[in-house]
Amino acid sequence: AQSVAQPEDQVNVAEGNPLTVKCTYSVSGNPYLFWYVQYPNRGLQFLLKYITGDNLVKGSYGFEAEFNKSQTSFHLKKPSALVSDSALYFCAVRGTWGNNRLAFGKGNQVVVIP
Amino acid sequence: EPEVTQTPSHQVTQMGQEVILRCVPISNHLYFYWYRQILGQKVEFLVSFYNNEISEKSEIFDDQFSVERPDGSNFTLKIRSTKLEDSAMYFCASSSDRRTNEKLFFGSGTQLSVL
Repeated sequence: AQSVAQPEDQVNVAEGNPLTVKCTYSVSGNPYLFWYVQYPNRGLQFLLKYITGDNLVKGSYGFEAEFNKSQTSFHLKKPSALVSDSALYFCAVRGTWGNNRLAFGKGNQVVVIP
Repeated sequence: EPEVTQTPSHQVTQMGQEVILRCVPISNHLYFYWYRQILGQKVEFLVSFYNNEISEKSEIFDDQFSVERPDGSNFTLKIRSTKLEDSAMYFCASSSDRRTNEKLFFGSGTQLSVL
């Protein structure tokens, strides 16, 4: 069965500094990897996904993520964090084998300090 | 961007009572899902639904749970006899395609508190 680990509960970063949110995964077959963000009182919003091809994926709001097959990781990055990036970030994975369900991590609270 | 809407945003109920959580998926979507997140834990898959039947369900989705699309626009999750451990945030989602690389659109969730 597929699974995701997001090891940190909260990530604190100063505004303007690089932001990294970590994610590792386990899956049967090739992974389809996703990042979602949740702002207060809103649903989970899609940020970006990795299906195949270039390991560096660019998404919404200046975010990008790097797929690393050998480390089974898909870390989310942003070169310069904004206060408005403060939110809950979820990593998720589906596999090409087995069931079709999307497996999420527990989420990381990102706090960008002005 | 179109949105999935969920009502109510908060639901408080007594243990043993039935609750119905409501969702209006995006209008041209055909695949519907329920997920939940117990405080501090992972977001967990409950069930997926297509063509008026369950296409997949998790171990959590036991006989106390049921889903229905009663009128072509709403998608509901019913818990027949709530337990304390059912307290969680419940998310509804929909997609236009069930390919594994297709993104899901989520609602803002219903916070269920069972007392």
